[in-house]
Amino acid sequence: QVQLVQSGTEVKKPGSSVKVSCKASGGSLTSYTITWVRQAPGQGLEWMGRITPILEIANYAQKFQGRVTITADKSTNTAHMELSSLRTDDTAVYYCARERGNYFDDWGRGSLVTISS
Amino acid sequence: QSALTQPASVSGSPGQSITISCTGSSSDVGGYNYVSWYQQHPGKAPKLMIYEVSNRPSGVSSRFSGSKSGNTASLTISGLQVEDEADYYCNSYTTSGTLYVFGTGTKVTVL
Repeated sequence: QVQLVQSGTEVKKPGSSVKVSCKASGGSLTSYTITWVRQAPGQGLEWMGRITPILEIANYAQKFQGRVTITADKSTNTAHMELSSLRTDDTAVYYCARERGNYFDDWGRGSLVTISS
Repeated sequence: QSALTQPASVSGSPGQSITISCTGSSSDVGGYNYVSWYQQHPGKAPKLMIYEVSNRPSGVSSRFSGSKSGNTASLTISGLQVEDEADYYCNSYTTSGTLYVFGTGTKVTVL
């Protein structure tokens, strides 16, 4: 079982960018695909994108294309999700999870990102 | 890509069985056996309960089972317990504009 440790709470202004990190322990990041999911307050889960570090390939949900960048730093075993041009409706908890095949079996505890002027 | 459709809420008494539906299309639920289910307690991260329609990960109670018929997948919880009270989300691989799509979520209440 891999442990995914996420970065802490962020408060950002509209129009700025945020970068959330997800450090894997208990295994090499290159063995996994890491997916990102967000959840706005009181709302459901929303798939944003994923990265397969060993292939250096990222895939994004159409909704976030052009605004999200998912990367992986193999030297630190850490995946990152950067979201730009932030709006107030980007306020959410952002989760990273290990994608195994076609499901998500280990999750980070989430990173709260608040967008406020 | 619209979210998969789930009932907003389902309730049952301890010991009863309940079923949560998850309706999509031939581009997602109906087209692939890649449906998974997640349980989420308030303030916590989601937890995988079922994968590939009907497989249970190690450590998940056998009271949880999954199935699929056409474009609708289902999660059944038998012998309902107080600790089953949570939100449940389905997820499916999809070919419509994104790789994966979640359901709208169902709040399970144990009466």
